[in-house]
Amino acid sequence: NAGVTQTPKFQVLKTGQSMTLQCAQDMNHNSMYWYRQDPGMGLRLIYYSASEGTTDKGEVPNGYNVSRLNKREFSLRLESAAPSQTSVYFCASRGGVGSPLHFGNGTRLTVT
Amino acid sequence: QKEVEQNSGPLSVPEGAIASLNCTYSDRGSQSFFWYRQYSGKSPELIMSIYSNGDKEDGRFTAQLNKASQYVSLLIRDSQPSDSATYLCAVRTSYDKVIFGPGTSLSVIP
Repeated sequence: NAGVTQTPKFQVLKTGQSMTLQCAQDMNHNSMYWYRQDPGMGLRLIYYSASEGTTDKGEVPNGYNVSRLNKREFSLRLESAAPSQTSVYFCASRGGVGSPLHFGNGTRLTVT
Repeated sequence: QKEVEQNSGPLSVPEGAIASLNCTYSDRGSQSFFWYRQYSGKSPELIMSIYSNGDKEDGRFTAQLNKASQYVSLLIRDSQPSDSATYLCAVRTSYDKVIFGPGTSLSVIP
């Protein structure tokens, strides 16, 4: 039972490069989320998708785009990476009303 | 004002003591509340969910919710060194967002 799978686990980018972080869940969950975590700042919501075909901005959406490709997959794209986007990125999903989040293992991204 | 606030840490308690963690939130329409524990370098893991006013107990953990005061707390009884971690309060808001507080770092001293 894989749960939430994130790829890659680690990535180093140069300023201005682009990349896509992939996330897939096999729990048939409707809602999916992308967070970033910086030291001492908890998790900050970047974007979320309450259902297939919908996406909404979270607390820190600038510099990111997302795609809810289907019910299973929710990708996060950095079009032009900046050093301020150095962080650990977590994808999460949840089922029905009141359900908790299930997290992937995270992607550690460094932008030089 | 941040949507979810937690008591600033770090919090240190001796082994066997009660650790008290607090959280306040700003969206009165919020319906679901969660406490997660996160060890360094790991993903958050769920400790408790609470949806109704009052207390909810699970082993050594008790979550308390007061919607009128927009306040959620987590008590850890008989604290153990293995409880040393960062504790994250999360709130599902009326728009289906799930927002986290900044976290409280807990150290349990043997």
